[in-house]
Amino acid sequence: DGGITQSPKYLFRKEGQNVTLSCEQNLNHDAMYWYRQDPGQGLRLIYYSQIVNDFQKGDIAEGYSVSREKKESFPLTVTSAQKNPTAFYLCASSPVVRAGNYGYTFGSGTRLTVV
Amino acid sequence: AQSVSQHNHHVILSEAASLELGCNYSYGGTVNLFWYVQYPGQHLQLLLKYFSGDPLVKGIKGFEAEFIKSKFSFNLRKPSVQWSDTAEYFCAVPLVTGTASKLTFGTGTRLQVTL
Repeated sequence: DGGITQSPKYLFRKEGQNVTLSCEQNLNHDAMYWYRQDPGQGLRLIYYSQIVNDFQKGDIAEGYSVSREKKESFPLTVTSAQKNPTAFYLCASSPVVRAGNYGYTFGSGTRLTVV
Repeated sequence: AQSVSQHNHHVILSEAASLELGCNYSYGGTVNLFWYVQYPGQHLQLLLKYFSGDPLVKGIKGFEAEFIKSKFSFNLRKPSVQWSDTAEYFCAVPLVTGTASKLTFGTGTRLQVTL
């Protein structure tokens, strides 16, 4: 089945550590996205990538970094500079960069908790 | 900039009651609109979408939404909810910047259906 795989499902981080969240898709989609979901705030865009080796900041990029070395993969690193990293992280993809015409396919998410 | 607002943050209904969740968007031009649903422990999935044509859009599981351009609204409806409709619902609209089109989500409405 085609889809998006996010791992791990749950992740615990100590303060001061960097952690990397995995996102892999086998849908042959060009564009990929990372969102953060917090209660009462909906989904906020962290980073997005339209093509391999290119990515753009979203609304809340500070404290995060990404890479897009392969079309299928778009990992997100939550750095120690992110002051409030505890959240639910969602990865998504769309067939073309104009996602407004197609919508997104979402992964099942990673819940990150800082301990 | 395009934005979307959902005014109902938490809705509690009894089974068989009728549902209407509000969604208003800010953009006055041609617009595509989406409703996504997130069932407990599951990933976001597309409920329905409006691109053009008939303003009454039918989605999965008996949901429908009506695009009313004069009111900038795209409210989600279901005549008779079931306990299994308990979930969080998100309205989304594309935000176009340059060649990219990213979805902007509302803050979500948590629906709780009681038996």
